[in-house]
Amino acid sequence: GQSLEQPSEVTAVEGAIVQINCTYQTSGFYGLSWYQQHDGGAPTFLSYNALDGLEETGRFSSFLSRSDSYGYLLLQELQMKDSASYFCAALEGGDKLIFGTGTRLQVFP
Amino acid sequence: SAVISQKPSRDICQRGTSLTIQCQVDSQVTMMFWYRQQPGQSLTLIATANQGSEATYESGFVIDKFPISRPNLTFSTLTVSNMSPEDSSIYLCSADFSPLGLSSYNEQFFGPGTRLTVL
Repeated sequence: GQSLEQPSEVTAVEGAIVQINCTYQTSGFYGLSWYQQHDGGAPTFLSYNALDGLEETGRFSSFLSRSDSYGYLLLQELQMKDSASYFCAALEGGDKLIFGTGTRLQVFP
Repeated sequence: SAVISQKPSRDICQRGTSLTIQCQVDSQVTMMFWYRQQPGQSLTLIATANQGSEATYESGFVIDKFPISRPNLTFSTLTVSNMSPEDSSIYLCSADFSPLGLSSYNEQFFGPGTRLTVL
């Protein structure tokens, strides 16, 4: 079956670096996306990895290893506003997203 | 970027009734999607809606319970039929704004969601 597993919660302090892991088991895998969702808000796109390796976008980086069915989101220079839920999502069949279990990040001052 | 709106933003309904949720996108898109999300949980894909064709439903979701319309490239509706308290959830629509034919990139924009409570 399809599954994307993430740690349920991660905590860190401002200025720190955190890594949120995602292990997946899907069929028709095209790539791995990451979305951020604040409480009461809509998910917003952060990154997409179609190929193995690291993609960097400002303070956020995302990594994919197809051979290991594994990816991670790296958040640097954490800020209070980064407190949110983070979801990995597998792009299947080239069009639909299957979302992971989600990780709640809490950033403390 | 894109702007996606949903109506209603929230509703409280009686069991056995139906509610239709509307999703409007500010530009034309080929693919739209409907998700369900329990508070504090992940998103579950209900169906994919392409203009001009029947929606494609995920396992566990059927057209009789969740009929979907996609009359044009900017609009879709999801109906939650014969509701029960188990249908209480947040319903989100999204649209795929990935450049056609570009396999190295994928991005979806989401609407703000409709919070449904069934009594």
